[in-house]
Parts: sequence; C-alpha cells; structure tokens
Amino acid sequence: DAGITQSPRHKVTETGTPVTLRCHQTENHRYMYWYRQDPGHGLRLIHYSYGVKDTDKGEVSDGYSVSRSKTEDFLLTLESATSSQTSVYFCASTGTANTGELFFGEGSRLTVL
Amino acid sequence: GEDVEQSLFLSVREGDSSVINCTYTDSSSTYLYWYKQEPGAGLQLLTYIFSNMDMKQDQRLTVLLNKKDKHLSLRIADTQTGDSAIYFCAESETGANNLFFGTGTRLTVIP
Repeated sequence: DAGITQSPRHKVTETGTPVTLRCHQTENHRYMYWYRQDPGHGLRLIHYSYGVKDTDKGEVSDGYSVSRSKTEDFLLTLESATSSQTSVYFCASTGTANTGELFFGEGSRLTVL
Repeated sequence: GEDVEQSLFLSVREGDSSVINCTYTDSSSTYLYWYKQEPGAGLQLLTYIFSNMDMKQDQRLTVLLNKKDKHLSLRIADTQTGDSAIYFCAESETGANNLFFGTGTRLTVIP
C-alpha cells in the first residue's frame, strides 16, 4: 500500500475560520487528489495536482484552494469554513493517471459548527 | 459531473453470493472500477474493467459489464464477514483525473 497520511484526522472548527488539511505521501507519486465524501453523494473531486505547482479544479472546487510545493505534500485550504463543508475529506495519489488506481489516505473528518 | 447510481444497502448471509449493481450515464466511459471501503479507512481498488470487455474474474470476484445498458455489476462468491464494507462503483473516460464515483453500497454480511 502507498504510504499516504492525512492530518489532522479529526477537526472541529467554527464557521468563518480558515482550515488547512495536509496530505503527505512517501511513494513519489506524481498525481494527488482531494475528495470529499458525503452521504448520498459518494466521493466528489475537489482539486487535483499533476505535479509540483500544477493543480486543477475538480467537480466541487468552490470555497477550496490547494497548494503543492513539494511532490510529497498536497495541502487543502478552506479560506473561510462554512457548515456545508462539514464532511470527510480523502486524499489520494497515484504514479500514473492512466489506470485510475488511486491510493487513498484514511480520511480527515471536519466538522464546521 | 457524470451520474453513477448504486443502491445504498445490501444484506446477505455468510456463504451466499453478493451482487452489487451500478448504472452510469457516460457513454464515453473507458474504465469502470470497483473500490472497497472498510470502516474508518480510505478506499482500496478491488478490480477494474475496460469498456471493451464483458466480464472479468479475479478469484471470488466477477465483474460483468453490459455496455449497451450502461450497467456494471460485482459478484462476490462465498461472501464472508470480512467482505462487509462499502463498495463504490466508479467510471472514467481518461483515467484517474476524471474519476466519477457512485454513492456506494453498504454490504452487510450476516453470520
């Protein structure tokens, strides 16, 4: 299994505060992804990266930004958290985008009060 | 985004076969996947099938694809309690960068 760790694993915050979730992978994978998982919606792509400093928007990118300054780290930032961003966030990575085999982290549960 | 539909729940008895179904709308899908999520964990790829295939078998797992009806199924033979998890169907036209997941089917195996 790819070594992908997410931090924090759990966070409770208040509406309007900034939040940053970190994803760290030790597999030297080029591609990294942030998804959110919500009941009734499955997983939806927020942003992805195809290399250092190269990122693109996914299906539900509004209210989120990302940064990738190093191959191993992909940060997801909520500039001003809202209650609708309460969710479980998953990071994933892969060495090749062709096959769709993603390696997932264990998830970060975010609650916005 | 593309629509990928799954039923939310399935219960089976240990030792029986499980069949998890998925329908999708994208006629350009090239790859179709089954991922498994165990409690408190991330998703893990179980198997995938190319759109030019009808069937793929891997030990206890059989994937059937009806491209005309845009229907994908995952059959688990001799279901065990360790198979209890959420199973996600996903489809993509080009690979990992535009993967669309279904809502997931929670499989409960009754001892």
